[in-house]
Amino acid sequence: GAGVSQTPSNKVTEKGKYVELRCDPISGHTALYWYRQSLGQGPEFLIYFQGTGAADDSGLPNDRFFAVRPEGSVSTLKIQRTERGDSAVYLCASSPTGTGIHEQYFGPGTRLTVT
Amino acid sequence: AQSVTQPDIHITVSEGASLELRCNYSYGATPYLFWYVQSPGQGLQLLLKYFSGDTLVQGIKGFEAEFKRSQSSFNLRKPSVHWSDAAEYFCAVGVKDSSYKLIFGSGTRLLVRP
Repeated sequence: GAGVSQTPSNKVTEKGKYVELRCDPISGHTALYWYRQSLGQGPEFLIYFQGTGAADDSGLPNDRFFAVRPEGSVSTLKIQRTERGDSAVYLCASSPTGTGIHEQYFGPGTRLTVT
Repeated sequence: AQSVTQPDIHITVSEGASLELRCNYSYGATPYLFWYVQSPGQGLQLLLKYFSGDTLVQGIKGFEAEFKRSQSSFNLRKPSVHWSDAAEYFCAVGVKDSSYKLIFGSGTRLLVRP
């Protein structure tokens, strides 16, 4: 079956611009996660959705970052006034349920470059 | 605070040789542990996981890992490495809080000599 998909695969933007990154999870998965992976590092947690609501957004670095999941499926990560330090690979993962710890299925990521 | 340490940034092995990648974790309760592999341009793929029970767990692609509570370790092993195993390997611990998020180590890049 189809895995987690993310678009675009690459995004180059200028400092100060606004960007949106999209994640399409595996059908039927209620839990959705966003992680950020900087060069040479492991992924770092940003935000977790259970259904439509953001159950934990403690990993968002500041208020320029925001994410939505209005219908409990597709999610969009939004970054305002981008900075060069935002350059990273943004990974999305989904899991069948948000109750308890389960395997998370990762998408291929969106590589964001801020010039 | 929870954390995962992968002390080896790079490891190079010859094809056919055995492999061990180290992982140490810091977690206050019984850990849920994972190993993921990331190939260039690919997403993270789960190799294996430990939740409870037998401390030696088998995964895909011939990998295994052993949970040692006394050493806070979860090392990944493979008896004979193939050139296609060259990739980045990440150890992670699952956090049982409001998010059940994963905390990852910084990864170990495996290079395979022909």
